[in-house]
This record gives sequence, structure tokens and C-alpha cells, in this order.
Amino acid sequence: NAGVTQTPKFQVLKTGQSMTLQCAQDMNHNSMYWYRQDPGMGLRLIYYSASEGTTDKGEVPNGYNVSRLNKREFSLRLESAAPSQTSVYFCASAGGVGNQPQHFGDGTRLSIL
Amino acid sequence: SQQGEEDPQALSIQEGENATMNCSYKTSINNLQWYRQNSGRGLVHLILIRSNEREKHSGRLRVTLDTSKKSSSLLITASRAADTASYFCATDDGGSYIPTFGRGTSLIVHP
Repeated sequence: NAGVTQTPKFQVLKTGQSMTLQCAQDMNHNSMYWYRQDPGMGLRLIYYSASEGTTDKGEVPNGYNVSRLNKREFSLRLESAAPSQTSVYFCASAGGVGNQPQHFGDGTRLSIL
Repeated sequence: SQQGEEDPQALSIQEGENATMNCSYKTSINNLQWYRQNSGRGLVHLILIRSNEREKHSGRLRVTLDTSKKSSSLLITASRAADTASYFCATDDGGSYIPTFGRGTSLIVHP
């Protein structure tokens, strides 16, 4: 019953440090997504992967990179963290793109000092 | 850019009352989804309604869709304290099928 698992749950970084957020799903889903959630802004899409081997930019991709390592795993990397990237990051997966509900992890709370 | 916008931003009711929240969007869609988020947790899918559907039910939830007005409503009947959460609508842009989330409605149900 794991669903979507995100690690770590909390992290504090200093400006300029790098970090990779991990996401894994066990539902054999084709598509995976990374969102950030800021107060008053709702969820904004950073990157998504419609299927294994493909990735595409979302609404706010600047400062981030992603890797679809295999069908299960989709990681998000901050190469040089900035205070503006302080946020809660959510990973989601879905059976496919279009008419498919998304399943979310419980998020990574990231603070950048 | 944000497609769906929920209204009201916050809603406070007593247990047993009905809660109605609305979502308006700007462009044609393929489908619209509603999600719930409890404090400190990820979003949980509630209902997906396709553009050719007008109403769907799931337990105490009723969702309507009016494509002529580009709006949807989520009705929670006989609310419970456990319904306290934020509720989000998600719409695609009719082309990419990638959902875009609104800012959400914060619902508080007082016991």
C-alpha cells in the first residue's frame, strides 16, 4: 500500500547547495509529475514525465532538473539552491496523461537559508 | 498560468451542514478533477468529471460541470469534522491533458 513515496520528508539547505529529491511509485504508472506548493499559489507544475524515457517542462522549470530513472522513479534536482525555492514539493503519478487521476506523495518540505 | 480558480477561498460551517465550493476556468477542457488535501499531507483524488458529463456522485460528494459557464461545483452533504481540509480543482487546457491546479478552498467543519 505504499503508493508514491518521497524522500526526504524535510530538508534544510544553504543557498548554493545542491540536492536531489527522490520519488518512487509502485503502481506501475506511466506518467509522473513534480509540483511545488507555496502559500496562496496552489500547486505549480515543475516537470513531468509522460512515460519512461521522456521528460517535459511544466510551468516553473527554471532552477530544476529531472531524471526519469526507470518506470518507478522520478527524481528532482536543485543544482544551486536559492531561497526562492523554499517550498513543499510533491511528486505524483498517474496511469497515463489524460483522464487519469493523480496519486500524490506526502511531500518534501524544503527550506533554503 | 492558472486554469481553475476555486471560490470561496475559505469556508467555515457546522457539522451536519452542506458545503459547496466552486471552480471557474478559462478555456475549454477535456476533464475536471477535484482533490482533497489534509494538513501536512499530499492531495487525494476525489472525482473526475469529463467535459461531456454534467453531474457525478461519489458517496456524500456531488460534482456538477457547466461547460457553457466554464464552471464546476463540489457539494459535500452532511459534512463531518473529518471533512476539514483544502479542496482543489484541476483542469487541463483541452490540448495537453496536463492538469493545472487552482489555489484551493480551505474548508473547516466545526464539531
